[in-house]
Amino acid sequence: AQSVAQPEDQVNVAEGNPLTVKCTYSVSGNPYLFWYVQYPNRGLQFLLKYITGDNLVKGSYGFEAEFNKSQTSFHLKKPSALVSDSALYFCAVRVDSNYQLIWGAGTKLIIKP
Amino acid sequence: GAGVSQSPRYKVAKRGQDVALRCDPISGHVSLFWYQQALGQGPEFLTYFQNEAQLDKSGLPSDRFFAERPEGSVSTLKIQRTQQEDSAVYLCASSLGSQAFSGNTIYFGEGSWLTVV
Repeated sequence: AQSVAQPEDQVNVAEGNPLTVKCTYSVSGNPYLFWYVQYPNRGLQFLLKYITGDNLVKGSYGFEAEFNKSQTSFHLKKPSALVSDSALYFCAVRVDSNYQLIWGAGTKLIIKP
Repeated sequence: GAGVSQSPRYKVAKRGQDVALRCDPISGHVSLFWYQQALGQGPEFLTYFQNEAQLDKSGLPSDRFFAERPEGSVSTLKIQRTQQEDSAVYLCASSLGSQAFSGNTIYFGEGSWLTVV
């Protein structure tokens, strides 16, 4: 079965420190990987995606993610966290020509001042 | 419009009432999705349209749920005889391309927050 895992329900980081939100996937076929962020009482906002090419993808708000094919991972990173980065983060994958997004369970990111 | 627009943003319905949730996708977007999201959880797929054709409705939880996109742009999700378990956020999303290219980004609206009392 196709699946996405976000192993941490919650990640706590001090403001100014680097942050990592982990995502691994298990699919049959070519993966297209996405990160979305959800602030309280808001919809999902697209952050970045990996389709092909450079394994390091840069996105909105200073976030980046690295695609690692051998480890089937797509971890989200930011060099210096802001309190305003506190939100719920979702990793998702699409496979080949399938329109369905397979979602991770989400990781709550808390940045403390 | 610049983004996916959903209305109403908040809806309180009495149990047994019918509700209609509207979605205005990004102009020119071929694909349209409806998702249901419980608090703190990931989105659950409900249905998918390519233009006016509803290609997948496998996620609709019961026959009380019905979605349409008659002219290939605006879509409506209708819930008949609402039940308390229907309380959730209903997210609409759109994407430029068809299902042929899975690298297209899916853009989400702010959601319609339904509470059934």
